Amino acid sequence: DQQVKQNSPSLSVQEGRISILNCDYTNSMFDYFLWYKKYPAEGPTFLISISSIKDKNEDGRFTVFLNKSAKHLSLHIVPSQPGDSAVYFCAASAPNFGNEKLTFGTGTRLTIIP
Amino acid sequence: GAVVSQHPSWVICKSGTSVKIECRSLDFQATTMFWYRQFPKQSLMLMATSNEGSKATYEQGVEKDKFLINHASLTLSTLTVTSAHPEDSSFYICSARDDSGGPSEQYFGPGTRLTVT
Repeated sequence: DQQVKQNSPSLSVQEGRISILNCDYTNSMFDYFLWYKKYPAEGPTFLISISSIKDKNEDGRFTVFLNKSAKHLSLHIVPSQPGDSAVYFCAASAPNFGNEKLTFGTGTRLTIIP
Repeated sequence: GAVVSQHPSWVICKSGTSVKIECRSLDFQATTMFWYRQFPKQSLMLMATSNEGSKATYEQGVEKDKFLINHASLTLSTLTVTSAHPEDSSFYICSARDDSGGPSEQYFGPGTRLTVT
């Protein structure tokens, strides 16, 4: 049972344009969400997070939006740069596990076209 | 930033042998570490939660006798894949939770590629 889903396995975006990565979840207990960036043969690196008490969090070129009623979050990257090409995972945690256990989505491979 | 190392970065072993993978938090203390595995083009799947000084907590479907976890200090956790078989070939990633940070503040190691022949 995949509780966190990223329905787009890949996405190609022109350099300078906006990249939008989507993530859906089914577990209503999730209250904290994170986005990670991963290069091949490397561990994930943290990008940005959002608590369920917010609907938007911004950090530089990265903005995460959360729609709790739709159980949907998205990551916006603008402007997109070639170095953004990587696999992006969304992850979620729930307080019943102390918010420690992360449940990951299946990832979206983002390719920025120069 | 916080750094987590893993050793080895890749290993090839013969079927039936055991392999130990180390996960170290280099500049912070981590009472809790996590072990994940990732198959090609799939998500990171949590295998177990490693707690310093106590037994690890395994996720459903993960054999604790096959994947032995030892968290002997606040900076080191080890995962031993016992009697490895080709189906154990995967990318194993650890993460460490900074004791001084929030519960979701985890830092990931670079991963270990295990190939069992």
